[in-house]
Amino acid sequence: DTGVSQDPRHKITKRGQNVTFRCDPISEHNRLYWYRQTLGQGPEFLTYFQNEAQLEKSRLLSDRFSAERPKGSFSTLEIQRTEQGDSAMYLCASGYLGDSPLHFGNGTRLTVT
Amino acid sequence: AQSVTQLDSQVPVFEEAPVELRCNYSSSVSVYLFWYVQYPNQGLQLLLKYLSGSTLVESINGFEAEFNKSQTSFHLRKPSVHISDTAEYFCAVTGTGGFKTIFGAGTRLFVKA
Repeated sequence: DTGVSQDPRHKITKRGQNVTFRCDPISEHNRLYWYRQTLGQGPEFLTYFQNEAQLEKSRLLSDRFSAERPKGSFSTLEIQRTEQGDSAMYLCASGYLGDSPLHFGNGTRLTVT
Repeated sequence: AQSVTQLDSQVPVFEEAPVELRCNYSSSVSVYLFWYVQYPNQGLQLLLKYLSGSTLVESINGFEAEFNKSQTSFHLRKPSVHISDTAEYFCAVTGTGGFKTIFGAGTRLFVKA
């Protein structure tokens, strides 16, 4: 169990640029989540995969956000045409199906200038 | 759909005093309930979980939480806190049957000497 890893740890970008984050979950885990966390708030659900299928995407998420999980392994989260309001910590978490808790990565901190 | 409400955003308390962090949830299906903790400058990690069976669950560091189905609550308690318990605590709910995990906004516990 090497844990959930996320890359990069930090990303600074200019408004209007595209960014892509990567998450490598714990290898046996079926579920993979992306959350966004801002200062003083709880993790806000963005999207959720079960194996390679994207089962749900938050209604609050604009079309600028897209996520993939090819072959049910690693996942990428892309934000197109970034805005200052996208500045946040983006968290990835993985777990088994059913009642198992989630294991979180250390997150990618995005700053949009 | 599920939702989680943490009723207190901040809880200051003196060392060795008891503490209760409140969590209420709503769901149209049966749920699994979790408390996660985030220590300063660290990632989220599981504190304890309720899946089924005994409604009182405990963690290894003295926290306990009680599932109350009639009141749809899962409050977290500790009879005597330590300085090292200073952290942000998040209540989370997962609907049984493969639903997504939703987090509350968090409660910041600040333990004073």
